[in-house]
Amino acid sequence: SAVISQKPSRDICQRGTSLTIQCQVDSQVTMMFWYRQQPGQSLTLIATANQGSEATYESGFVIDKFPISRPNLTFSTLTVSNMSPEDSSIYLCSVVENEKLFFGSGTQLSVL
Amino acid sequence: DQQVKQNSPSLSVQEGRISILNCDYTNSMFDYFLWYKKYPAEGPTFLISISSIKDKNEDGRFTVFLNKSAKHLSLHIVPSQPGDSAVYFCAAPTSGTYKYIFGTGTRLKVLA
Repeated sequence: SAVISQKPSRDICQRGTSLTIQCQVDSQVTMMFWYRQQPGQSLTLIATANQGSEATYESGFVIDKFPISRPNLTFSTLTVSNMSPEDSSIYLCSVVENEKLFFGSGTQLSVL
Repeated sequence: DQQVKQNSPSLSVQEGRISILNCDYTNSMFDYFLWYKKYPAEGPTFLISISSIKDKNEDGRFTVFLNKSAKHLSLHIVPSQPGDSAVYFCAAPTSGTYKYIFGTGTRLKVLA
């Protein structure tokens, strides 16, 4: 299965600032996915990142708040912009292989 | 609308006994289901899956049962071990897409 490296693993940020999360996969993949897990909640898909085109965002998520880059087939970044305490969550990148989602280790974000 | 539901937020089981985790879904178009295990500070890891053409799939100590008429699936862990203590999520991909819908998770604690 794909090996996914994600960083930072955790961060504590001030409101109003932005954080960029990086995700590196050890193989080339067409699609990468960004999920969010708010405290005590389910995992929710934020967007799908395709190489060479704009990311596709799910309902309730917008590009201005969560800009995504996908410069090549092994790498993607998610930025959480103008953060507020409500953005405190675990952010996860993932890829699909043989109909199964594989996840990075996640970024635990706390916004003060 | 929560299409995948895990109504038990937590479960405690004695070591060596059976753990049964339950999941209900509302979308009759789901045709593939997965279970994930998540330890603190780690990303979810794939555990076991089942296609809707089956009603049971077994992998070592883990068995998933699917009751399509009841729109219900369950994960059985026998025998339960302390290392199984984690949060378990059931998930299903929306038909024809790579959008996976997750339940809210059940925290399993296996007591030594």
